[in-house]
This record gives sequence, C-alpha cells and structure tokens, in this order.
Amino acid sequence: DQQVKQNSPSLSVQEGRISILNCDYTNSMFDYFLWYKKYPAEGPTFLISISSIKDKNEDGRFTVFLNKSAKHLSLHIVPSQPGDSAVYFCAASGTQGGSEKLVFGKGTKLTVNP
Amino acid sequence: DAGITQSPRYKITETGRQVTLMCHQTWSHSYMFWYRQDLGHGLRLIYYSAAADITDKGEVPDGYVVSRSKTENFPLTLESATRSQTSVYFCASSSGGWSYNSPLHFGNGTRLTVT
Repeated sequence: DQQVKQNSPSLSVQEGRISILNCDYTNSMFDYFLWYKKYPAEGPTFLISISSIKDKNEDGRFTVFLNKSAKHLSLHIVPSQPGDSAVYFCAASGTQGGSEKLVFGKGTKLTVNP
Repeated sequence: DAGITQSPRYKITETGRQVTLMCHQTWSHSYMFWYRQDLGHGLRLIYYSAAADITDKGEVPDGYVVSRSKTENFPLTLESATRSQTSVYFCASSSGGWSYNSPLHFGNGTRLTVT
C-alpha cells in the first residue's frame, strides 16, 4: 500500500524551461510534505517543505504547491538548470494517527538538457 | 567537520555472513534512522532511534539489528545476510524526529552487495 506516489519515474526538460514534478498521497493524516534531492553516489538532501496550512511555499527557483482536497503536491523549478539533474523524492508525514513516520515516494529522475 | 558519515562506502559479503554498517554523526542529533533504497521502492525505513538506548522498528526491520549505546553512533547489523538485502543503505539524523522543522540529514550511503 503505497501512501506516497510519484507516478513519473523520469522527466526530461530543456535548460531554462519549467520542471514540474508531481506527487500524490493517500493518507489524509499527513500534514506536512517535503522534497529531497539526490545526486548519484550521494545521500538525499532536503530541498523544500510545506505545511498543510499553506498551499504554496517558495524558495528561490523552487516552489511547492499543495492541493489538499486532491491530495496532490507538485514541485516547480523555474528556470531549470543542468545542475538540477537529480532524483527528487517526495515525502510526507503527520502528527497523529500512526502517520508520524516519514514516508517517501519512489522518486522522479529529472534530467535538464543544456 | 560536522556531518554524518557512513562506513564502509562499499561492501561485498557472502550469504549467511554477519555484516555491520556504521553511522556516525557530529551534530548531537537525538534522532537517527536507517533507510534502504531499492529500485522501484524508493526509501524505506528499517529502524530508527529517538535517543541513546531507544530504538524502534520501521517498515522493513526483518533481518536487521540496531543498537545505540552512544548518541553519535547508530550501527546497523545484518545478522545473516541474504541476497534480498543487497541494497544501498542510508543513515540519517535529525534534531526532532520527523517533525516539520527538522528535516533529515543523510549520509552518503553504503552500497552493500550480498553474493
């Protein structure tokens, strides 16, 4: 039973364009969401997060949007750069009802072409 | 340098052998975690620890043992390695568990191959 789903295993975009990575979740007890970025042969690093009381959080070129009613979040990268090429993991957690442990999606591999 | 380090980076072992993966952090974070990353599964929690001498199971704990006698160390032991435990193992730490303001800090991983 996959509680956090990243249905696109890979995404390829041109440098300078927008990258949109999507994530769906099933557990209504989740109330905060994070994106981690992973380069080959390195550990994941925290990128950006959002609490369920918000519908948008922005940090430089990275923006995360949350649609609670649809149980959907997305990460927008504008403009995309070749250094953004990595695997992006969506993760979710909550504060009650057994949802406290952070659950990760399977990841989306983003390739930004020069 | 402050951070979280895992050793070894690569390990090949035989089925049935015991192997221990090491994890050391210098932030004095109370929480430490072990995840495994497999193709098609993302990151799955094996064990975690909220403090020294406090450990608990995650999603996939079978075949693994952990201990935490010191805050800074969180070794993971495969008591009798199986081929299904071939994976990349990540250790992580945080100051506040999985809370919103305490993102996990990951080590660079140990790639384990069981032959």
